[in-house]
Amino acid sequence: GESVGLHLPTLSVQEGDNSIINCAYSNSASDYFIWYKQESGKGPQFIIDIRSNMDKRQGQRVTVLLNKTVKHLSLQIAATQPGDSAVYFCAENMVRDDKIIFGKGTRLHILP
Amino acid sequence: GAVVSQHPSRVICKSGTSVKIECRSLDFQATTMFWYRQFPKQSLMLMATSNEGSKATYEQGVEKDKFLINHASLTLSTLTVTSAHPEDSSFYICSARGAGSYEQYFGPGTRLTVT
Repeated sequence: GESVGLHLPTLSVQEGDNSIINCAYSNSASDYFIWYKQESGKGPQFIIDIRSNMDKRQGQRVTVLLNKTVKHLSLQIAATQPGDSAVYFCAENMVRDDKIIFGKGTRLHILP
Repeated sequence: GAVVSQHPSRVICKSGTSVKIECRSLDFQATTMFWYRQFPKQSLMLMATSNEGSKATYEQGVEKDKFLINHASLTLSTLTVTSAHPEDSSFYICSARGAGSYEQYFGPGTRLTVT
């Protein structure tokens, strides 16, 4: 289930199940969106991105869905593994502004 | 993929001293570098954007005289935290982007602790 911690919400998922991490973004003019994975004490690691003119993109074991109507982004991870434990951030970018703005993040906790 | 390194990975300094953090792009030329700060259990907050050979552009609320950024070459940017105080203790992360690319590559971060 999902719970909200002091600053970071946590999603607990059974190993082998699919994970869905959600994100609400703020700027309807953003050109593309990125999901990052951050392990403890490390920098963010690129997972997948999607342009604003698309609504779905698939990678290896991951799928990103974009709903511009409600400004919602989701990351689906298939067959979640222990190595997927991390904090996941969505981020949005406007090419015009030349910067990436990070969302709040969700901690993914894998249950054995 | 493109690799970005940061040095040091951890640093402890005394209050009132200055500390310099380096960000290097190892296998590509970074025309733009970004500096972020991340407090525990929080997201990354963009501090500034620097283009090689130009002055950095700071985000609102970030003191440019306290966080000095230099991007003197296409592979190196430095962030100097001047007169550091305990509230400056944080995880500082840089990212780099090459010319004509929108993708940013992140460094491993530097943990700064000010005592």
